[in-house]
This record gives sequence, structure tokens and C-alpha cells, in this order.
Amino acid sequence: GEDVEQSLFLSVREGDSSVINCTYTDSSSTYLYWYKQEPGAGLQLLTYIFSNMDMKQDQRLTVLLNKKDKHLSLRIADTQTGDSAIYFCAESLADKLIFGTGTRLQVFP
Amino acid sequence: NAGVTQTPKFQVLKTGQSMTLQCAQDMNHNSMYWYRQDPGMGLRLIYYSASEGTTDKGEVPNGYNVSRLNKREFSLRLESAAPSQTSVYFCASSEQLGNYGYTFGSGTRLTVV
Repeated sequence: GEDVEQSLFLSVREGDSSVINCTYTDSSSTYLYWYKQEPGAGLQLLTYIFSNMDMKQDQRLTVLLNKKDKHLSLRIADTQTGDSAIYFCAESLADKLIFGTGTRLQVFP
Repeated sequence: NAGVTQTPKFQVLKTGQSMTLQCAQDMNHNSMYWYRQDPGMGLRLIYYSASEGTTDKGEVPNGYNVSRLNKREFSLRLESAAPSQTSVYFCASSEQLGNYGYTFGSGTRLTVV
């Protein structure tokens, strides 16, 4: 089936780490993505991970992939107010991307 | 760099009216997509075009038609708008179908009253 699930909200204090989780159901996905959507804007590709990797780090972002549990996470270190946005995970299946429902991250001082 | 450009940004329609949402990309991408975004439901694929001259249905195609006018442009048409089509519509493009990141436009907010 094609179903990507995320929790809807996450609230963190500025300077703390944020962890956004995602579960997917189709093990044949070859790439998994994280997108960021700021208010009134389209989605912007943040990072992606190939399915044969279990971790990818890019500056403050760390992506962890557990293929056995079909679980993907995005960790943002030292979260800033500018990180407040909606974060979508997406899996690639054949010829299209399937998006999760999005997690709204709120950063408070 | 314009990327993906959508017009209009906002639109209000009466039930039964028709309209076309326009999308153009300047990245020489082969594939283009139309999504709608509704609260709590993420993005759902309406139609996509793998390459110039081809179009295919996505997850929620009913009530919509598309035209891949040329490599750059991919339009979405609502023939007879319904309140259930109130949504934010996003166009996206990618180099090819499949395992490539998408570039998104900034969206069209459509309200049908």
C-alpha cells in the first residue's frame, strides 16, 4: 500500500534538538525525502537518503533510516525560530512521490 | 532563477465556474506534476506528465483535466468547480520520473463558494 504517516505537531524550545518521525509502508521505495514548507510557500527539498543507507548528515540535519521498521526520522540540531515550518517526508514509488501528512514544527524562545 | 512559476496565486470561483491554473518551469525538466494540499491530508497527486506529450492520472483526478502544452508548461483545468475543490494547488517538476527531488511552485490558493 501507499501510506506515509507523520505526527501533526511538534513544539520545541529554541536551541534544543527536534526529531520529526515518519513511517512508510512500502519497502520497495528506493529514495526517501524530507521537504520543508514555510508559510505561504511551496515545498523545498531539504535532504534525501538512498534506501541502502541508514544515516545521512548534512550540517544541522541528520536523517536516520530503519528499513526493517520502515521508519524515517529527521533530527534538527540547535533548532532556530527560522526552522518553524511544516516538514513532509516522502517516499518514491515507481514514478511518483508519495507524501506524508506533514509535521508542523513550532519553535518557541 | 524563476524555477516553477504558477499563476494565479489566489482565485475565488463560484460553484460551476471553470478556470485553468497555469504552471511553467524553466529548468528543462521532463516531468511535471499537479498536487493539491488539504489540512491534515498532506499532498495528493492529481495528474502528472512524464514527458512532453504524455499525461497520467494520479490519486485524485476526478473533476480535473490537464494539458502538457510543451516541455515548459503544464496546465490544470477545472471544468465545473465544486466546493470540494477548495484547496491549495501546487505544481512541481523534476528531471525525470522516479527517484529525483521535485522543485515546487509557490502554489495557487483556490476557494470555491
